[in-house]
Amino acid sequence: ETGVTQSPTHLIKTRGQQVTLRCSSQSGHNTVSWYQQALGQGPQFIFQYYREEENGRGNFPPRFSGLQFPNYSSELNVNALELDDSALYLCASSLAKRITDTQYFGPGTRLTVL
Amino acid sequence: AQTVTQSQPEMSVQEAETVTLSCTYDTSESDYYLFWYKQPPSRQMILVIRQEAYKQQNATENRFSVNFQKAAKSFSLKISDSQLGDAAMYFCAYRSNRAGTDKLIFGTGTRLQVFP
Repeated sequence: ETGVTQSPTHLIKTRGQQVTLRCSSQSGHNTVSWYQQALGQGPQFIFQYYREEENGRGNFPPRFSGLQFPNYSSELNVNALELDDSALYLCASSLAKRITDTQYFGPGTRLTVL
Repeated sequence: AQTVTQSQPEMSVQEAETVTLSCTYDTSESDYYLFWYKQPPSRQMILVIRQEAYKQQNATENRFSVNFQKAAKSFSLKISDSQLGDAAMYFCAYRSNRAGTDKLIFGTGTRLQVFP
């Protein structure tokens, strides 16, 4: 167990809808990263938040957005869902942004878009 | 841009035997870290081992060790005395030490099966 939790475990949405995924980081971890893992692929970096500010973004459109809260929780929001958004969404928390800070992953949310 | 390649989609090993998973990467940077993560059916990604590029000595964590060949850009994982609980997807990952690039770049993974 990494101490990082995500909710919900599974989610089914239809194309065009909006979805919010939640992550609870380890206490004291100021950095949270979100990844998208399509079936049979490795995780792809979506974005990272450090102390409630976006700290870097991967190659994802603006309809993917996030929030980080002072209580070590965070959200990933996806608007106008597309079929290709079906994937496992992972969050990872770390103490800070240093390369030596281990990223601890949650168990993920499986999103299915119909 | 950096890339990570895992050319073995699946590997299998008998319990108590040794198996090696391969990983190659491409980068023009000299300061970076490499990682092996394990993802069991529970889906939670767990760090197995990491290697700092400026360290020549290969990292070791109990039954897990790496063979890091910086010039060849190769980073393989050796699992000794394989156990049934080692069965999982294994991902090789790269992280740059350049400021503002805090993401992990993953390969496509290798599924390891362990037979009794």
